[in-house]
Parts: sequence; C-alpha cells; structure tokens
Amino acid sequence: DTGVSQNPRHKITKRGQNVTFRCDPISEHNRLYWYRQTLGQGPEFLTYFQNEAQLEKSRLLSDRFSAERPKGSFSTLEIQRTEQGDSAMYLCASSYSGAEAFFGQGTRLTVV
Amino acid sequence: ELKVEQNPLFLSMQEGKNYTIYCNYSTTSDRLYWYRQDPGKSLESLFVLLSNGAVKQEGRLMASLDTKARLSTLHITAAVHDLSATYFCAGDQGAQKLVFGQGTRLTINP
Repeated sequence: DTGVSQNPRHKITKRGQNVTFRCDPISEHNRLYWYRQTLGQGPEFLTYFQNEAQLEKSRLLSDRFSAERPKGSFSTLEIQRTEQGDSAMYLCASSYSGAEAFFGQGTRLTVV
Repeated sequence: ELKVEQNPLFLSMQEGKNYTIYCNYSTTSDRLYWYRQDPGKSLESLFVLLSNGAVKQEGRLMASLDTKARLSTLHITAAVHDLSATYFCAGDQGAQKLVFGQGTRLTINP
C-alpha cells in the first residue's frame, strides 16, 4: 500500500469553472477526511466520512462544495463556480476507527 | 469548540542551539499531534500524544503533553539545518477530526 493518494496534484482553473478532486485512501481505512490549507495557515477541517456516510460538514463547506464517497472507498470533492478565495491546498486523510489519520500529498488549486 | 494556538509563529535559530515550540489548546482534546510540513508538501506525522505526562522522542525532537495545563511542547535539541520546516500541533475534537494551530515556521541557520 502506497498511502493516501490524491489527484490531480495541481489544478489551475478559471473563476467560475467547476473542479473535482479525487482521494484514494489507504486500503481498509473506513474514515476519510478533507481539509483545506491556505497559504501560511494550518489545515482546516472540511468534512469526513465513515464508510460511505458523510458524518460531518464544517461551516467552511459552502453550498458550492460537495463531497462524496459512493462505495466507501475513494472520495471526490467538487467545487462549483470556483472563486479566487477557493485557491488553497486541499488535503485528504484516512484512518481506521480510533487510529491515527494519514495525509495525502494534497491537491493545490489555483483559481485565476 | 476546540482552539489551538502555537507560539512562536516564526523562529530563526542557529545550528547547535536548543529551543521549544509551545502549543496551547482550549478544551479537552482526545489526543495531541505534531506534524512537520516542508514547503509545498503534505504533512508528515511526528508524534501522537495520548495521555497526561506523555513524552515521546525521535532524534533531536521531543514532544510532551500536560493535559491539566492544556499544553504541549516540541523541544528541539542541538538543531541542524535539516530540521528547517513548519511545525504544526493539532488537537483531536473526536473521531480524529483535527484542529490545527497556525504553525511555527522554523529556520535553522548554519
């Protein structure tokens, strides 16, 4: 197992376009988390799944953001009608219940 | 709501010196984590501290946890240039949902 995998690693998009990121967790990890990190700040929690159920969403997750984990394996995070303020690193992490979470390499989004 | 504060936010030090990064948190946290982040990279887990009085060491880094004071420290001994990075502490607000501090950008000069 090579760890948590995120794709793409970098994405540049024009304001107003939709983007989708993918996260493949470590095999058999039942929990999956999304975080956002802006320049010079610590990561901020966005949402998490246990298996396919989305259990919690942060206030940061506006209605332009949606996340899915359809079969309890990989997850996607979609941002609709992107804004410049969405430019950030989007980090995915996974864990097995009660154990430490491991982070992926992140997807860096730049909205121009 | 859990809040986590680190200080200092920036730290420039010479090789061979010792220093400590402090992490205060506002409410009970199941666990306390320390991560390292290099520029443009993801988070590398350094330590997970589970209980009061926990102390863990790896090389020149040592982390400790005082749950009564709601304080964790990351101590750097005889710093070397390779330790230059940003260090984050994070509290666990349950189900491994982490609340991160602002980070401490550490620069170690020869």
